[in-house]
Amino acid sequence: EVQLVESGGGLAQPGGSLRLSCVTSGYNIITLGMNWVRQAPGKGLEWISFIGSSGVTVYYADSVRGRFRISRDIAKNSFYLELDGLTAEDTAVYYCARDQILDYWGPGTLVTVSS
Amino acid sequence: EIVLTQSPATLSLSPGESATLSCRASQSVRKYLNWYHQKPGQAPRLVIYDASIRATGIPDTFSGSGYGTDFTLTISSVQSEDFGVYYCQQRDAWPPGAFGRGTRVDVK
Repeated sequence: EVQLVESGGGLAQPGGSLRLSCVTSGYNIITLGMNWVRQAPGKGLEWISFIGSSGVTVYYADSVRGRFRISRDIAKNSFYLELDGLTAEDTAVYYCARDQILDYWGPGTLVTVSS
Repeated sequence: EIVLTQSPATLSLSPGESATLSCRASQSVRKYLNWYHQKPGQAPRLVIYDASIRATGIPDTFSGSGYGTDFTLTISSVQSEDFGVYYCQQRDAWPPGAFGRGTRVDVK
C-alpha cells in the first residue's frame, strides 16, 4: 500500500527557515516524481514544486522560486522541501502528492509564519 | 500558464440528486485533466484522471468527460460522503501551474 507522510511543519519567524519531509512507503521512489502542494487557511490548492523521477528535473511556482528547494533521498524513500525567507503568506498546510497524476497525498503538515 | 476556470463556485444539493461540475481550460490540455475531492480537514483525493478514468476506489456514480478545453465531472447520485470541494488540474503542460479555484458541493 502506498503511503506518504509529511513532517517538519511548525511555527517559524518571518525570514526564518524550515525543512519539510515526505516519507514514502509502498513503492520505489525512483520510478515517479513528487509534488509539493500547499493550502493557505480557507483557500484553495496551490501547486508549488515538483521533482522528477530522475531527481534532476525540478520545477517551482513563481511564488516560491529562489526561496524553496526540493530534493530527495533514495535511501530513505523520502522527499524534502527546504523553506527559506519565510513570510506570512507562506502560512499553509503543505502536502506532498505523487507523480503527475497526484494519485496519492499525505495528510499534510502545517507551517505557520508569525512573530 | 494555463488557467482553469471552474463553475459553479457552489452547488447546493440534496442527497440523491445529480451534480454537474465544469472545468474550462484557457487552452487545450487534450485529455490530461484531473479532478480531486477534498473534505474539510482532510487531504485532497484523486477522483478522475485523464478526463474520464476513475481512480482506485472511486464508485461508478462518478464520471468524467471532455477533451481540449471543456471538461465535466458528474456525480449521478450525491451521497453524504461526496460533499466538499472539487478541484481540477491539468497535466498536459508540465509543470502544471494553478489548480482551478474549486467548486463547493454542499447540502441544500
